[in-house]
Amino acid sequence: GQSLEQPSEVTAVEGAIVQINCTYQTSGFYGLSWYQQHDGGAPTFLSYNALDGLEETGRFSSFLSRSDSYGYLLLQELQMKDSASYFCAVRGGRDDKIIFGKGTRLHILP
Amino acid sequence: NAGVTQTPKFQVLKTGQSMTLQCAQDMNHEYMSWYRQDPGMGLRLIHYSVGAGITDQGEVPNGYNVSRSTTEDFPLRLLSAAPSQTSVYFCASSYTDSSSYNEQFFGPGTRLTVL
Repeated sequence: GQSLEQPSEVTAVEGAIVQINCTYQTSGFYGLSWYQQHDGGAPTFLSYNALDGLEETGRFSSFLSRSDSYGYLLLQELQMKDSASYFCAVRGGRDDKIIFGKGTRLHILP
Repeated sequence: NAGVTQTPKFQVLKTGQSMTLQCAQDMNHEYMSWYRQDPGMGLRLIHYSVGAGITDQGEVPNGYNVSRSTTEDFPLRLLSAAPSQTSVYFCASSYTDSSSYNEQFFGPGTRLTVL
């Protein structure tokens, strides 16, 4: 089957950099993606990695190492509006479905 | 484009009742899916579909049925509601080409309470 592990909570200071890690297990792998969800809202897509390396999108970057079954989301120049839950999701398995981790709650201190 | 729409936004059911959660998208996406979200459990996949006429089970399919008669619509049916099905339900969709597959667009969710 497929499974993902990510920390349940992370705390950081406004203006700083924070990294949210994700390890996954899947029998077939087609990509690791990241989503943001504010309280009461729906998840929104942030980034996607299919190949090893770093993908940058503004203040957010995502990294993937397929050999280690590991990825992370890097948030720079943290703003209070970045306080949210962040989910990693893996596409893979026998039947190519997308499974989410349990999410990491990011707390930002002023 | 309206994107992904879900109805109703809120619903209260009694144990044993049945109902259908509606989901529609106007982006011509092949892939559609249903997730439930419970505190501390993340998003768990219930059922998904890679195209009209094709559906498959996700992680937690018991107690739910789906059908995909058109590309646009993917309703989720609760056959006999139970309190354990109290949750927030999200519908999502995406294209199925290699890069777009991973970028799912989510509906606003349906908050369901089963008494």
